[in-house]
Amino acid sequence: DADVTQTPRNRITKTGKRIMLECSQTKGHDRMYWYRQDPGLGLRLIYYSFDVKDINKGEISDGYSVSRQAQAKFSLSLESAIPNQTALYFCATSDGPVETQYFGPGTRLLVL
Amino acid sequence: DQQVKQNSPSLSVQEGRISILNCDYTNSMFDYFLWYKKYPAEGPTFLISISSIKDKNEDGRFTVFLNKSAKHLSLHIVPSQPGDSAVYFCAARRGSNYKLTFGKGTLLTVNP
Repeated sequence: DADVTQTPRNRITKTGKRIMLECSQTKGHDRMYWYRQDPGLGLRLIYYSFDVKDINKGEISDGYSVSRQAQAKFSLSLESAIPNQTALYFCATSDGPVETQYFGPGTRLLVL
Repeated sequence: DQQVKQNSPSLSVQEGRISILNCDYTNSMFDYFLWYKKYPAEGPTFLISISSIKDKNEDGRFTVFLNKSAKHLSLHIVPSQPGDSAVYFCAARRGSNYKLTFGKGTLLTVNP
């Protein structure tokens, strides 16, 4: 079984709808991250969490919110989706001291 | 301000030859650098890393070189194989902050 799972893998929604992307991990890592990937822009950090009680904004957090329900679960919400949030979203986990991040398979989101 | 730059969007090489992927950075506070590989429909996977106190790290066919004075690192793949065809992301970390800053990626195509 995969160490980092994301649901759903693909989602189509309409402008203004609320949507939640979920991430679960079995690696036992404390740190979890949400990124988005856009063509030609690489990976950009949305939010990150160093433990259940610690949540921080990344470089592009506007329009997004997160919830760390447990050490193993980190959810990303789009309260009112807009078309420019169409992207590929990745969840990742890591554990110190080596800063290797382990990524989930991604969620492809299309906002119409 | 893009702190990690991969100026070549794509690179094509013949099987068996050397692939050289380049990455430049602007933030002298970065102290740890990583390369990730990404296949279509999958999340990025860690490939190799290097600390700023070193100038070379080798792992099988993969070698990363770091030139701190030039703020430049490169990934060498020798010999290149068709299975190496993927997008390669360069990433950098600053100090004890566990966030990674990613470049935009380089698409490597290894032709049989």
